[in-house]
Amino acid sequence: DTGVSQNPRHKITKRGQNVTFRCDPISEHNRLYWYRQTLGQGPEFLTYFQNEAQLEKSRLLSDRFSAERPKGSFSTLEIQRTEQGDSAMYLCASSRLTGAPEAFFGQGTRLTVV
Amino acid sequence: QKEVEQNSGPLSVPEGAIASLNCTYSDRGSQSFFWYRQYSGKSPELIMSIYSNGDKEDGRFTAQLNKASQYVSLLIRDSQPSDSATYLCAVNGRNYGQNFVFGPGTRLSVLP
Repeated sequence: DTGVSQNPRHKITKRGQNVTFRCDPISEHNRLYWYRQTLGQGPEFLTYFQNEAQLEKSRLLSDRFSAERPKGSFSTLEIQRTEQGDSAMYLCASSRLTGAPEAFFGQGTRLTVV
Repeated sequence: QKEVEQNSGPLSVPEGAIASLNCTYSDRGSQSFFWYRQYSGKSPELIMSIYSNGDKEDGRFTAQLNKASQYVSLLIRDSQPSDSATYLCAVNGRNYGQNFVFGPGTRLSVLP
């Protein structure tokens, strides 16, 4: 299957711990996005990569959040010193650099901070 | 004013009816418009994209775009219980950089 892949699917962590999520985009897609979604809300933009360059970052993203895409392929999203308010579904999407700008999502990682 | 607005629903329609979902957006520079379907506990699935004014049909789905009114809609013909989900409207365009701005979604319930 060549869809967007996210790991882990579920993560339960204690408040104050660090967590890291991984996203493998569709292989020919240069653009990669991270979103966060809470119950009853639409996905909220976090950050965007074009190849290995992080081109946009939401003003809502605190310093505890960091994302990387070191070789322009997979990406990681790290949350340091997790808080209960970080509990959400973290979604990764990818799209082509040229042509139709359609974005396809992975299965998501559901984070629960206890 | 929120950037992308949708009625949260729930919108209930009987099986076989036409479901009409609406979305308005605030940025006149928006260029690309998308509808995603999201089942409970799952991730969004792209079902339609539209880039120019008018209608675009794909099977039972029709997307309609009116840039002058800043309005995009999704019609689902012959609605089935399996269409019961939340439908997210997303917009991509000049003032949003390359990211996609999503509405809160409309929950659709198709009653057998």
